Amino acid sequence: DTAVSQTPKYLVTQMGNDKSIKCEQNLGHDTMYWYKQDSKKFLKIMFSYNNKELIINETVPNRFSPKSPDKAHLNLHINSLELGDSAVYFCASSQDPREVETQYFGPGTRLLVL
Amino acid sequence: QKEVEQNSGPLSVPEGAIASLNCTYSDRGSQSFFWYRQYSGKSPELIMSIYSNGDKEDGRFTAQLNKASQYVSLLIRDSQPSDSATYLCALTGTASKLTFGTGTRLQVTL
Repeated sequence: DTAVSQTPKYLVTQMGNDKSIKCEQNLGHDTMYWYKQDSKKFLKIMFSYNNKELIINETVPNRFSPKSPDKAHLNLHINSLELGDSAVYFCASSQDPREVETQYFGPGTRLLVL
Repeated sequence: QKEVEQNSGPLSVPEGAIASLNCTYSDRGSQSFFWYRQYSGKSPELIMSIYSNGDKEDGRFTAQLNKASQYVSLLIRDSQPSDSATYLCALTGTASKLTFGTGTRLQVTL
């Protein structure tokens, strides 16, 4: 069983489109995250939810909107996609916000905006 | 100045040698330090964590932390071709938010 799963794995789309990425974890963790890794491998946190509540919201364009319907799911919706949004987006989860050692990453979603 | 700095590499070492990966950071309030390994096309995986000054050993891996110098390193002994990957240094401050460096690419040659 996959601990943290993301769909889709690959996403190719045109500028201006709206797209969503879904994430699910079956680890029973309370905290979930979205990270963005750019072409230079720089990995940066975007959002974090703890028990469905937003606890970290980095300086991210408001075209990005996370949604957590329950503790096991954290989705990311992106409006009006831009070329610069092309990156790998990783979902992760951890036992709680302080237990960084338990943070487990999903396989990533490779987004290419044309 | 970047919060976490790493040499992007590639760092090339022959099989069996010691690979030394280095990381410096700017925030003196940083509390916990981590090394992640990321194979090409895969997600990062945690391989070491260190919280206090000194050395911490786990198998072939040794993490070293010097808070006064704001420096953390990872040594890989008896390097294997399977160690070829990008190694990401990361840390947390009071916010428990992971901040990553840009990673060092390690190539272990036969």
